[in-house]
Amino acid sequence: QVQLMQSGPEVKKPGASVKVSCKASGYTFTVYYIHWVRRAPGRGLEWMGWLNPNTGATNYAQKFQGRVTMTRDTSINTAYLELTRLRYDDTAVYYCARPPSYFAWFDSWGQGSLVTVSS
Amino acid sequence: QSVLTQPSSASGTPGQGVTISCSGSSSNIGSNIVNWYQHVPGTAPKLLIYRDDQRPSGVPDRFSGSKSGTSASLAISGLQSEDEADYYCAAWEDSLNGVVFGGGTKLTVL
Repeated sequence: QVQLMQSGPEVKKPGASVKVSCKASGYTFTVYYIHWVRRAPGRGLEWMGWLNPNTGATNYAQKFQGRVTMTRDTSINTAYLELTRLRYDDTAVYYCARPPSYFAWFDSWGQGSLVTVSS
Repeated sequence: QSVLTQPSSASGTPGQGVTISCSGSSSNIGSNIVNWYQHVPGTAPKLLIYRDDQRPSGVPDRFSGSKSGTSASLAISGLQSEDEADYYCAAWEDSLNGVVFGGGTKLTVL
């Protein structure tokens, strides 16, 4: 079955960077896009962008452009989200999610990775 | 200031029904499918409705979705205590080449 296994919690200082991983199993990694979604305390789900694991192409939400990078390592079926210049309001649970096709819904989700930004 | 507009809260007593609305525009709901997610903080979001009105296997038929024009709705009948969660609509946004979510509706079962 499809599984997306994310890395563990991180605590970072303001201005630092964080890199979250999402290891895929149970399907051919390069066939399906990976999206990243976050939920900050007291706020709703927020889409951050997508990664095409086959080509490495990306598209980021305007809000995160310049601070976010989505990459992958196809040799280990893993996608990465890196967020730089962290601010307190980047404290959130970050999820990777997989749609079954390009414009589709997210039928598989990672368990979430908590990133806390604190001095 | 989400692209898709949902009420911030909804409530009902066990056994009652509730409907959650989601309003968008021609570049998202008006031209693309709508999906609904249930999220209990601390867990992964769960797909509830896809392609406007389809239920994944395992989702009770108490949950139903509909769409008309640039608006969509999620209806929940026979409310149960375990339905307490946050509910989000989502759609592809053509101008962003990406996904937009509603602001979320917190459902309380009284």
